[in-house]
Amino acid sequence: AQSVTQLDSHVSVSEGTPVLLRCNYSSSYSPSLFWYVQHPNKGLQLLLKYTSAATLVKGINGFEAEFKKSETSFHLTKPSAHMSDAAEYFCVVSEPGGGNKLTFGTGTQLKVEL
Amino acid sequence: GAVVSQHPSWVICKSGTSVKIECRSLDFQATTMFWYRQFPKQSLMLMATSNEGSKATYEQGVEKDKFLINHASLTLSTLTVTSAHPEDSSFYICSARGPQGARTEAFFGQGTRLTVV
Repeated sequence: AQSVTQLDSHVSVSEGTPVLLRCNYSSSYSPSLFWYVQHPNKGLQLLLKYTSAATLVKGINGFEAEFKKSETSFHLTKPSAHMSDAAEYFCVVSEPGGGNKLTFGTGTQLKVEL
Repeated sequence: GAVVSQHPSWVICKSGTSVKIECRSLDFQATTMFWYRQFPKQSLMLMATSNEGSKATYEQGVEKDKFLINHASLTLSTLTVTSAHPEDSSFYICSARGPQGARTEAFFGQGTRLTVV
């Protein structure tokens, strides 16, 4: 069985400062992990994905995440926040044999202040 | 990335009527499509999974006779909310995955805001 825990429901940062959104996962198999972003009343957009290749994954808009198997973590980071980064972020896990399903975390609301 | 188009983006309907939401994969073959419901400030709740040409698999607690899902082709899935009631008002999102399965990302539609009055 697979599961995802997003440790913070809300994160607030100042524009220009680093962003850290935390995600821990549980999986019986070698999982694939994804980060998606959702702006209000919109669908989800893929930021980046880990699928068993390089453990440090770079995504769009300057985001990156590092897969750490020993810590079962896949935290999302960005060196410098921009006002346009304010949105809801979802960490998602997928594993073979799971009926092709995605398991979502509860989401982290990122607020970026001037 | 691949594009999934969902229509309509919003719809208002009267209680007791039915509403159909379409989800199309525009540039890839979606062997699996998912339908989600999202309540305000909450994560996505999986309603059902459909594979092309097969009956949809519904999650526990989701009424299959109320939420009719059809996945007749590799590029189109539809969700019909039958005899809609105000409690069905929600944000519905579809997503699609290609034949590579669990190692590939899912692509999401823009979502449909359903309001039943």
